[in-house]
Amino acid sequence: DVKVTQSSRYLVKRTGEKVFLECVQDMDHENMFWYRQDPGLGLRLIYFSYDVKMKEKGDIPEGYSVSREKKERFSLILESASTNQTSMYLCASSRTGETQYFGPGTRLLVL
Amino acid sequence: RKEVEQDPGPFNVPEGATVAFNCTYSNSASQSFFWYRQDCRKEPKLLMSVYSSGNEDGRFTAQLNRASQYISLLIRDSKLSDSATYLCAVTFNTGGFKTIFGAGTRLFVKA
Repeated sequence: DVKVTQSSRYLVKRTGEKVFLECVQDMDHENMFWYRQDPGLGLRLIYFSYDVKMKEKGDIPEGYSVSREKKERFSLILESASTNQTSMYLCASSRTGETQYFGPGTRLLVL
Repeated sequence: RKEVEQDPGPFNVPEGATVAFNCTYSNSASQSFFWYRQDCRKEPKLLMSVYSSGNEDGRFTAQLNRASQYISLLIRDSKLSDSATYLCAVTFNTGGFKTIFGAGTRLFVKA
């Protein structure tokens, strides 16, 4: 079974804090993705990575950065959290062009 | 125009009904197509891939129309357990393989 894990299920942070969301997959997938999901807006791609140390911007990268130092780990960083970054964050991984497997998600609340 | 568009619904249908969802995409170079199912407060999970020749899995049939740039999902003999949000996803090559999801269509199946 493919397993994608995320470091936290729920997180509460204050405006201006630096926030790290970690994602780990155990299936040696080349591709990893970070999405946020908001009511009425669906899943929106923040960043993705198709190889170690490679990253590409998705549709809404502003206010976020990512790090992929190892193949199995993809981190999302909010440099200075803002209230409009309150959301559900979903990580996914896949082989190239194939099914994405999602982690359970992190519900982030920024106060 | 959004890259991937779906009717958000909700679709309210009685048990046993047949229901169909469509999803349109704008990038004619799209290469892979999928339907995912997402239950309330859970992560999306693959329902089925969509192939050019169409494919069927039990009560579910998926079809792809490249000329008109849409994919469809047909659910026959709806069950209460089919109640969920159905997300279409489209993948295309931008150097890495980028996947864009539709916002999802909510389905409620009632007894």
